[in-house]
Amino acid sequence: DVKVTQSSRYLVKRTGEKVFLECVQDMDHENMFWYRQDPGLGLRLIYFSYDVKMKEKGDIPEGYSVSREKKERFSLILESASTNQTSMYLCASSLFPGQGNTEAFFGQGTRLTVV
Amino acid sequence: GENVEQHPSTLSVQEGDSAVIKCTYSDSASNYFPWYKQELGKRPQLIIDIRSNVGEKKDQRIAVTLNKTAKHFSLHITETQPEDSAVYFCAASRGASLFSGGYNKLIFGAGTRLAVHP
Repeated sequence: DVKVTQSSRYLVKRTGEKVFLECVQDMDHENMFWYRQDPGLGLRLIYFSYDVKMKEKGDIPEGYSVSREKKERFSLILESASTNQTSMYLCASSLFPGQGNTEAFFGQGTRLTVV
Repeated sequence: GENVEQHPSTLSVQEGDSAVIKCTYSDSASNYFPWYKQELGKRPQLIIDIRSNVGEKKDQRIAVTLNKTAKHFSLHITETQPEDSAVYFCAASRGASLFSGGYNKLIFGAGTRLAVHP
């Protein structure tokens, strides 16, 4: 069974704090993603990574950065948290194209509140 | 950039009726179209997917159709049941082939909240 685990289910942080959201997958997937989920806006891609130390911007990268030092771990960093970053954050992983099942598996989500 | 539009945003049906959700995509190189179901408080999970070399795929009560020319695809749920109530997301990517020039970057629609009333 594929397992994608996010380090926290709920987080409350103060404006201006540096925030780290961690995601670990155990299926040796090349691709990892960070999405933000807001009501009425669906799942918006923040960043994705297709290999260690490789990253690509998604649709809404402003205010975020990422780190992929190891294949199984993909971190989302809010350099200086702001209230408009209050949201549900979802991590996902999948195989590289052409390797078979390209299903994306999601973590349980981290609900971040910035006060 | 790539965009996926999804309609309707909410859908309410009676148990036993059919439900149809439609999506359009902008990237003509997209070749993989999954549908995810997210129940309240849970993570999205894949329910069915289709690749661009196929026009229709069916799995029990759910089916997906793809019109590549028009760049749209649809989810059909027949004989709906209360447990079908959830938010459904469509997505598009180039992930079906290593040579498609993409990295399985999944772009999602805004979601459809389906309510099935007993």
